[in-house]
Amino acid sequence: ILNVEQSPQSLHVQEGDSTNFTCSFPSSNFYALHWYRWETAKSPEALFVMTLNGDEKKKGRISATLNTKEGYSYLYIKGSQPEDSATYLCAFLGGFQKLVFGTGTRLLVSP
Amino acid sequence: GAVVSQHPSRVICKSGTSVKIECRSLDFQATTMFWYRQFPKKSLMLMATSNEGSKATYEQGVEKDKFLINHASLTLSTLTVTSAHPEDSSFYICSASPSGRASDNEQFFGPGTRLTVL
Repeated sequence: ILNVEQSPQSLHVQEGDSTNFTCSFPSSNFYALHWYRWETAKSPEALFVMTLNGDEKKKGRISATLNTKEGYSYLYIKGSQPEDSATYLCAFLGGFQKLVFGTGTRLLVSP
Repeated sequence: GAVVSQHPSRVICKSGTSVKIECRSLDFQATTMFWYRQFPKKSLMLMATSNEGSKATYEQGVEKDKFLINHASLTLSTLTVTSAHPEDSSFYICSASPSGRASDNEQFFGPGTRLTVL
């Protein structure tokens, strides 16, 4: 059974704070690591698809890094804004070509 | 671009009835669509992979006669929960992978359907 874990489970920060979350995944049979942002009552929105060890991707104030050898990815948000409040999901794509999701990190940014 | 719609967003039905959920890719073609289920405070769990023009591939423990999947075109997949019972109450969400993106399995999600069976 593949295990994808995210921490923390939830996070409450003030506007302007920078924050980061962790996604841990199996270090073998790695194909890709996906990050999604999921606001309540909306579709999960794809943030990044990461495939190479050492990869770093950036989209505005959000960035992600990938370490496939040790099996973790970090998602960073610089200068959090209330509109960043959402659940952030990671998903591991392994040898079976199916996404295995973590339970998500729920972020709340207060004004 | 890459919008996926799902209908209905919410359904309440009586035990024993069947419920059909539609998943459409609005601005791209999707050879492959996926159906997930989410229990409270749990992660999205893949139920089945739906391939256009062929039978769906079900995950272990998912009853194919209970959850009927049809992927008749490159933009539409349907999930029918047959003879629904209260234990089928859950959040169902679909995703679609654009044709030609099999290598990294990029998926675009619908907004989900909340099913409540009384």
